[in-house]
Amino acid sequence: DSGVTQTPKHLITATGQRVTLRCSPRSGDLSVYWYQQSLDQGLQFLIQYYNGEERAKGNILERFSAQQFPDLHSELNLSSLELGDSALYFCASSVEPGGSGNTIYFGEGSWLTVV
Amino acid sequence: GDSVTQMEGPVTLSEEAFLTINCTYTATGYPSLFWYVQYPGEGLQLLLKATKADDKGSNKGFEATYRKETTSFHLEKGSVQVSDSAVYFCALLQQGAQKLVFGQGTRLTINP
Repeated sequence: DSGVTQTPKHLITATGQRVTLRCSPRSGDLSVYWYQQSLDQGLQFLIQYYNGEERAKGNILERFSAQQFPDLHSELNLSSLELGDSALYFCASSVEPGGSGNTIYFGEGSWLTVV
Repeated sequence: GDSVTQMEGPVTLSEEAFLTINCTYTATGYPSLFWYVQYPGEGLQLLLKATKADDKGSNKGFEATYRKETTSFHLEKGSVQVSDSAVYFCALLQQGAQKLVFGQGTRLTINP
């Protein structure tokens, strides 16, 4: 158990809908990351927050947004869902905002299926 | 930009065989290197890491040595078990960067 908690574990929704994925980082971690794992794209970095502020943005679509709240939990919002958004979405956390000495721990992921 | 290349899978071995999964990277400076493992139906788990050249990371019988001269971080285990069947990801974290760069993953199947 990494200490990173994600909900829901599984989600099935229709095209055009909107979903929210939730993440609680490990105790004491200030940085939260979101990754998408799909069969064709592999593991892709989406976005990172550190202590409530956006720190880095990767391959995140405009239909997707995220935020980190004062209690450090984070939410990833996915809207106008398309079939191609079906994937495993990982949240990860770390103490530091980045850097080579950092260790990033992953949650178990939220499986999203768009039908 | 930074990149990680893993040996293509899938890899199938018999129990107690020796395992090597190759990983090479392209990066400037001195990134940290990681191996993550994803067991069937589960999330990513950190397996081991190394933060500087010649460091050896080890865990659960797995080892990997950070080789700067060959830009490699190959994963090895002397005697694999059926329970080691999983997908293994090599990754790097660049100095001052915020994101892990992953290889494409190598699926390992161990037969009894």
